[in-house]
Amino acid sequence: DAGVTQSPTHLIKTRGQQVTLRCSPKSGHDTVSWYQQALGQGPQFIFQYYEEEERQRGNFPDRFSGHQFPNYSSELNVNALLLGDSALYLCASSRWRGQRAGGYTFGSGTRLTVV
Amino acid sequence: EDQVTQSPEALRLQEGESSSLNCSYTVSGLRGLFWYRQDPGKGPEFLFTLYSAGEEKEKERLKATLTKKESFLHITAPKPEDSATYLCAAAGVDSNYQLIWGAGTKLIIKP
Repeated sequence: DAGVTQSPTHLIKTRGQQVTLRCSPKSGHDTVSWYQQALGQGPQFIFQYYEEEERQRGNFPDRFSGHQFPNYSSELNVNALLLGDSALYLCASSRWRGQRAGGYTFGSGTRLTVV
Repeated sequence: EDQVTQSPEALRLQEGESSSLNCSYTVSGLRGLFWYRQDPGKGPEFLFTLYSAGEEKEKERLKATLTKKESFLHITAPKPEDSATYLCAAAGVDSNYQLIWGAGTKLIIKP
């Protein structure tokens, strides 16, 4: 049973460039969330997608955008990269359960380095 | 404002020495309290979900408990392979679609 798959695993970009990260959710999951994790800190919520729409967004600028496709896979796009965007980007999938929060399955992440 | 605080930041134990990790939360209308394990350079690995005060869950050497203000992760007779960062997260009514995370406790088990 494939879990959450993220690509690429590592990425080096230059300040000002744009980057796209990809995520395939666990089989049976329909909701995808994206998190940014700086070294030594807990993950910070970026946004969540369900039924191809952004359902909620964390405190991140508009440079961070996303998309969910009909097969539930998702992309995270970051424009005008800053040095501070360097982090581990995590994708988590879950199955929407209404008023009860379900368990999230995380991918291994994409390590983005901005130079 | 919803908040999750974990303590201690780091914990060093001898193999076999039991202890507990703490997760204090201030979340409106708790929808779930989650424990994850994270190894260096990897994504968090799901351990437990707790939904209501008094609930307990166990898995091997780990046991998670929940009160109205905090959760504990008890580690009994740990082994070196239990070394990792343990993260706690909570989802509440106001943040129904997102997890509020603590900074984690780095656990080191010495043989």
